[in-house]
Amino acid sequence: AQTVTQSQPEMSVQEAETVTLSCTYDTSESNYYLFWYKQPPSRQMILVIRQEAYKQQNATENRFSVNFQKAAKSFSLKISDSQLGDTAMYFCAFIPYSGTYKYIFGTGTRLKVLA
Amino acid sequence: DTEVTQTPKHLVMGMTNKKSLKCEQHMGHRAMYWYKQKAKKPPELMFVYSYEKLSINESVPSRFSPECPNSSLLNLHLHALQPEDSALYLCASSQVSSGRGIGTDTQYFGPGTRLTVL
Repeated sequence: AQTVTQSQPEMSVQEAETVTLSCTYDTSESNYYLFWYKQPPSRQMILVIRQEAYKQQNATENRFSVNFQKAAKSFSLKISDSQLGDTAMYFCAFIPYSGTYKYIFGTGTRLKVLA
Repeated sequence: DTEVTQTPKHLVMGMTNKKSLKCEQHMGHRAMYWYKQKAKKPPELMFVYSYEKLSINESVPSRFSPECPNSSLLNLHLHALQPEDSALYLCASSQVSSGRGIGTDTQYFGPGTRLTVL
């Protein structure tokens, strides 16, 4: 079975500091996408960053970057210079190329950025 | 533009009411999805439409009836709901990548409809 595990239910970070959210997954597939989505209290699921498994280079989007370790099946999200607007629930998600339509979501990490 | 819109934002209904949720996207995506999300949980997939045809029904009770009138619109018709159906209902859309399964491209979510069933 394919699973995604987020082992940190809640985290907090001081404004302007750096925080890393962990995500591990289990699959026998070789080609897949990994995603981090952010869901602030406003409810909308917002794509933060996407990684294709065949790409060795870690994806970055402004203050957000990932550490993708394919062999270890690890996909952590680093947020630099944390801002109050980063306060949200963060979901890690996985989907293989192979014909399944369904995102496999982790249980989420609630991040609070403190002023 | 990566916008998916949903109306209404909030909906309160009784167990005997009939109501509909609406979702719209203008990104040219040919796959659209309905999800149900309970508080502090990840979204749960309900339905998938591909090229306006229902592709996947995740064993959703018949009191939820999806409809895809055209490639930009997705509706969810609600009838005789139960209080446990109260949740956030999210719509999403994505490209359909050739050579890959439906939904294997990035899904873009709408802001959701907060449904309360009394």
